[in-house]
Amino acid sequence: EPEVTQTPSHQVTQMGQEVILRCVPISNHLYFYWYRQILGQKVEFLVSFYNNEISEKSEIFDDQFSVERPDGSNFTLKIRSTKLEDSAMYFCATAQGLILAFFGQGTRLTVV
Amino acid sequence: GIQVEQSPPDLILQEGANSTLRCNFSDSVNNLQWFHQNPWGQLINLFYIPSGTKQNGRLSATTVATERYSLLYISSSQTTDSGVYFCAVESSGGSNYKLTFGKGTLLTVNP
Repeated sequence: EPEVTQTPSHQVTQMGQEVILRCVPISNHLYFYWYRQILGQKVEFLVSFYNNEISEKSEIFDDQFSVERPDGSNFTLKIRSTKLEDSAMYFCATAQGLILAFFGQGTRLTVV
Repeated sequence: GIQVEQSPPDLILQEGANSTLRCNFSDSVNNLQWFHQNPWGQLINLFYIPSGTKQNGRLSATTVATERYSLLYISSSQTTDSGVYFCAVESSGGSNYKLTFGKGTLLTVNP
């Protein structure tokens, strides 16, 4: 079964540093998403991306966050200057159409 | 926005027992998915079920969209079923397949 692949699986970074989380979507999928899950809490929507632009973003997705598809295949989430409260599991999800999203295995980000 | 409530929050079972997990949502939905989050944190798709009933092995799910709830049935539970079960919905009128998750049910199956 095709799958969404995320790298790295775990990243530790110092507060104030920039991080880039990477996702390889399923090949024929057109809709891309990032979600995050703070430890012990529910999964929250961050941003959706379609046709090379952001289609919707949540209040969490402030100016410190950005997304792009730099090479037409990878889908990345950049956090410009990490804060302690950015520590969470970040999930990439992709969908062929507006149904049935497939989630990656997640990247656990720890900010120290 | 739409509210998603899952119950029970925690459930402890002996291996072999059956269980029912419930997901209530506050508004009409276009889409609904059930996920299992394993101990490593991965979100595994269980069902895409905006309405009707589906079965996959020991698991089945039913969504009654008109009454705004979905049920996930686990029969003959195994220790590997342990983890958190999430329901996630996309409210009607959405254009981006943005999923709103419930807080989950933490299932522990003891041998």
